[in-house]
Amino acid sequence: QLQLQESGPGLVKPSETLSLTCTVSGGSISSSSYYWGWIRQPPGKGLEWIGSIYYSGSTYYNPSLKSRVTISVDTSKNQFSLKLSSVTAADTAVYYCASQVGYCSGGSCYVSALFDPWGQGTLVTVSS
Amino acid sequence: QSVLTQPPSASGTPGQRVTISCSGSSSNIGSNTVNWYQQLPGTAPKLLIYSNNQRPSGVPDRFSGSKSGTSASLAISGLQSEDEADYYCAAWDDSLNVLFGTGTKVTVL
Repeated sequence: QLQLQESGPGLVKPSETLSLTCTVSGGSISSSSYYWGWIRQPPGKGLEWIGSIYYSGSTYYNPSLKSRVTISVDTSKNQFSLKLSSVTAADTAVYYCASQVGYCSGGSCYVSALFDPWGQGTLVTVSS
Repeated sequence: QSVLTQPPSASGTPGQRVTISCSGSSSNIGSNTVNWYQQLPGTAPKLLIYSNNQRPSGVPDRFSGSKSGTSASLAISGLQSEDEADYYCAAWDDSLNVLFGTGTKVTVL
């Protein structure tokens, strides 16, 4: 049974870079059937997709965050990571990682909005 | 369009049927499948309906989904107290973006 767990600092200073890691267990991050995604939820607000990565390194980012986001994958550790630069208070949120149905084949990639399962989430607060 | 539009709230008494709408456009719901997520208080979202109308194993059959054109709906029949939660729709957008709905809070009266 696939499980995901987020880890990283719970407090980040404004203008600095937020860094989180998601560890996948119960399955291989090199699976050809999944992308691996990051989603966030500001306190009391809705869900926002940040971006996703395939084991081969193919990435998709939310256009509104693309200039500040980098997602990477470490297949040897079964982990993928999120970096969000130049953070402000508006980046305060619970950050979730999730497995996302998708694949790449013959040079083309398909990504869905089907996320299952999700990690438990980690609250990151941006404050000095 | 950067989000899918849902009503902010819905409610019903135990046993009633509640329906939640999700409105999008031709580039998202109109051309891609819709998924629904349930978020119980203080927990991570959980997949409730995928590919417009499919239930994952373990999801009660009182939950059902449908799609028509650029809109989708989630129905909860036989509403139960444990269904009190936030519900989100989601779809891939052809602009290479995942869109989530604005979310609907369901209250069991």
